[in-house]
Amino acid sequence: DAGVIQSPRHEVTEMGQEVTLRCKPISGHDYLFWYRQTMMRGLELLIYFNNNVPIDDSGMPEDRFSAKMPNASFSTLKIQPSEPRDSAVYFCASSLMAGGTDTQYFGPGTRLTVL
Amino acid sequence: GENVEQHPSTLSVQEGDSAVIKCTYSDSASNYFPWYKQELGKRPQLIIDIRSNVGEKKDQRIAVTLNKTAKHFSLHITETQPEDSAVYFCAAIHASGGSYIPTFGRGTSLIVHP
Repeated sequence: DAGVIQSPRHEVTEMGQEVTLRCKPISGHDYLFWYRQTMMRGLELLIYFNNNVPIDDSGMPEDRFSAKMPNASFSTLKIQPSEPRDSAVYFCASSLMAGGTDTQYFGPGTRLTVL
Repeated sequence: GENVEQHPSTLSVQEGDSAVIKCTYSDSASNYFPWYKQELGKRPQLIIDIRSNVGEKKDQRIAVTLNKTAKHFSLHITETQPEDSAVYFCAAIHASGGSYIPTFGRGTSLIVHP
C-alpha cells in the first residue's frame, strides 16, 4: 500500500484565493482526519470522518474552511477565501478502528503558504 | 475538553544517555495514548502507544509508562542515538463507540549529540 496520499505537497497562493487540499486514505480505513500544524498552535485536529460521514468538525477554525468526503477513497479540505494566517502544514491521516486498533497513519502533508 | 501538557519542550542529551519525556492529561475518559516522532519536514510517525488497561509497554529501546491515577504518561528512550533526534509528540485520545477525540501535546525537540 502506498500509504496516505496528499496533494499538492506545496501550495503558494495569494490572499483571497480558494485553496483545495486533497487526501487519499489507506484503502480499507474507516476513519479520516484532517490536522493543521503550526509553530504557534502545534498539531490541531480540524475535522474527522467515519465511513465518509463527518463526525466532529468543532476544530474547523471558521466558515471559510470546509471538508468533504464523497467516497471512501477521497477527501478534500477547502479554504475560501484564504488568508495569510492559514499558512501551515495540513496533514491528513487515516485509521482502521473496526479492527480495534486506533493507530493513525499520517500523509506527507501539504505546506500551504498564503501571501 | 482535554488538555495535554508535554515537558520538556527541548531536551539535549549525549549519545548513549537516556531521554525521558512526560505528558499529563486532564480527561479521565482518555483511554489511548500514542507517541509520534516527527523528523524535520516529515510526517508524524507512530513509535509506540499504550492503552488505559496497561501500565507499561516496551519496544526495544523505547518504553512508555502510564499512571492513570495521576493522569500522566511518559516516553523513555534508552541508549539514545543521533538518529533519535526529532520532535516527539504525545497524544491523549478518548476512543469510544465511534467517537475519537485526540489532543496532542506541543512537542519535545530531542537533540542527541554524537
